[in-house]
Amino acid sequence: DAGVIQSPRHEVTEMGQEVTLRCKPISGHNSLFWYRQTMMRGLELLIYFNNNVPIDDSGMPEDRFSAKMPNASFSTLKIQPSEPRDSAVYFCASSIPGQGVTGELFFGEGSRLTVL
Amino acid sequence: SQQGEEDPQALSIQEGENATMNCSYKTSINNLQWYRQNSGRGLVHLILIRSNEREKHSGRLRVTLDTSKKSSSLLITASRAADTASYFCATDYRGGGNKLTFGTGTQLKVEL
Repeated sequence: DAGVIQSPRHEVTEMGQEVTLRCKPISGHNSLFWYRQTMMRGLELLIYFNNNVPIDDSGMPEDRFSAKMPNASFSTLKIQPSEPRDSAVYFCASSIPGQGVTGELFFGEGSRLTVL
Repeated sequence: SQQGEEDPQALSIQEGENATMNCSYKTSINNLQWYRQNSGRGLVHLILIRSNEREKHSGRLRVTLDTSKKSSSLLITASRAADTASYFCATDYRGGGNKLTFGTGTQLKVEL
């Protein structure tokens, strides 16, 4: 079975440019999560969706970040304009939500973003 | 921040030895999970322990949970060089919504 698929795996861009990260969750998983990982802050939850609806975006750093999930098989995380401090590895994960509990998360391999 | 703390931050052992990592968290949980991350890769789920469970085993892994102390430990027995990775605990906080909060991680190095 295909796991969570993220693209691109690596992105190098210049400050001020728009960055779009993409994620295809595992088929049948109704919850999708975007995390960011840095050495300084560890793994931070940015936003998560249930059934394509954003539930909690309190982790999104600022208005430069936006995320969409137009259908059950695709999500994007956009940064516009990008800044050097956005450099990090961005992970997408999906899961089957339980009744009021969070089950196992399946992670993609991540998108490593470098903003110069 | 709800982020859990793990200790030690780094651990270096010889192949065949046991490795123990600890995780502390802050508020009541539904469950606690452990994940592994190899360098440059995504996280992989290892084991989930529910708040009403005290111990769980999976192969060479043993997880304990003490809700009165708000802590958990992960024991890897008879470690192998292939166990070299970072290990994270993640908590599903009660009333926190359908999401996991990850700890700071322990970097384990198993030397031949």
